[in-house]
Amino acid sequence: DTGVSQDPRHKITKRGQNVTFRCDPISEHNRLYWYRQTLGQGPEFLTYFQNEAQLEKSRLLSDRFSAERPKGSFSTLEIQRTEQGDSAMYLCASSASESGANVLTFGAGSRLTVL
Amino acid sequence: RKEVEQDPGPFNVPEGATVAFNCTYSNSASQSFFWYRQDCRKEPKLLMSVYSSGNEDGRFTAQLNRASQYISLLIRDSKLSDSATYLCVVKRRGQFYFGTGTSLTVIP
Repeated sequence: DTGVSQDPRHKITKRGQNVTFRCDPISEHNRLYWYRQTLGQGPEFLTYFQNEAQLEKSRLLSDRFSAERPKGSFSTLEIQRTEQGDSAMYLCASSASESGANVLTFGAGSRLTVL
Repeated sequence: RKEVEQDPGPFNVPEGATVAFNCTYSNSASQSFFWYRQDCRKEPKLLMSVYSSGNEDGRFTAQLNRASQYISLLIRDSKLSDSATYLCVVKRRGQFYFGTGTSLTVIP
């Protein structure tokens, strides 16, 4: 296990279609985060999990977005009825459990383009 | 009000220069502090954690002022390879908050 893996790396879709992204975190990390990043901005928090429990979800996130981490390992982020404004880089990150100044390790991201 | 505020720059500096970035955070309950580096079209990577006592890693020095809610990063003897976006990050109750990033270009 060399790091956080995300799939697919790139996705082009038409408006109105559903898309799903997958994230495989570092195996010993029990926290998993999803962020969205657009050009010129820092990563924007979407949601995070501790093991299989979704602990927090951004209030900016519409109900078209849903995330799961069914067995506390990999996670999926689904966007239903995509809109052009959903075009962004979707970043997944993982961290060890709450202790001291633990850090985030990011995957390479999944870039979404909605036409 | 944003959790983390940074001057987006860009900062264009010659090789060998010293450059400083600052950021402020809005919530005094923030617990941990970091600088991340992000290269163009790549994921953010941890540069260094920031401690109240200040810490140094080679040419990089980070400082935290909890009273002023202010974080700084100093880069000495800039290299071309330092060109990147530097993201200020604070952590509170398990969640990490990112600034917009400060863009640095080191010019030959």
